[in-house]
Amino acid sequence: EVQLVESGGGLVQPGGSLRLSCAASGFTFSSYSMNWVRQAPGKGLEWVSYISSTSSTKYYADSVKGRFTISRDNAKNSLSLQMNSLRAEDTAVYYCARDNSDGMDVWGQGTTVTVSS
Amino acid sequence: SYELTQPPSVSVSPGQTARITCSGDALPKQYAYWFQQKSGQAPLLVIYKDSERPSGIPERFSGSSSGTTVTLTISGVQAEDEADYYCHSADSSDTYWVFGGGTKLTVL
Repeated sequence: EVQLVESGGGLVQPGGSLRLSCAASGFTFSSYSMNWVRQAPGKGLEWVSYISSTSSTKYYADSVKGRFTISRDNAKNSLSLQMNSLRAEDTAVYYCARDNSDGMDVWGQGTTVTVSS
Repeated sequence: SYELTQPPSVSVSPGQTARITCSGDALPKQYAYWFQQKSGQAPLLVIYKDSERPSGIPERFSGSSSGTTVTLTISGVQAEDEADYYCHSADSSDTYWVFGGGTKLTVL
């Protein structure tokens, strides 16, 4: 079964850091680009970051550029998002999503990040 | 920054046709994708590359493109189609992706 499972969410104080992980299974992870997408409580979807299959290309939304870093370990079938200098507005459910060039066709169930003092 | 504009809500009766639009300056040059999100669930891809339907998505879902507007059409709407729908595309440089604000489809 093709599956993505996010982990690492939690409660963090403003200015703090958190590292999210996404474990992939059921497909050849190294062949696919990946994305992080988030959704604030009661709000719409927001694309956060993209990484190509070989990590050669990375893109970020303006709202997280300079604070978040996307990375992947193809040997471990794992995607990560290092989040620094967290703000209240980063509070959201964070999803990882597979990108097969025909769209984000597989999504995890999400991990919740809450930034609050 | 680049934006995609969707109507906040659309309401239809069962069996009718729902049309959800999405407007953006780069849409003539960039493909659009549509996602369905039901309450408490992860998004589901229902249309890719403007008008292609992934396997497993019912034929009543279709997509079209005209100029700076793309449209998701759901023919013969069913109660189970009630959800939020998001369009998704890239800016003209293909380095920045955005989602539309979302459209809540209500089946009356």
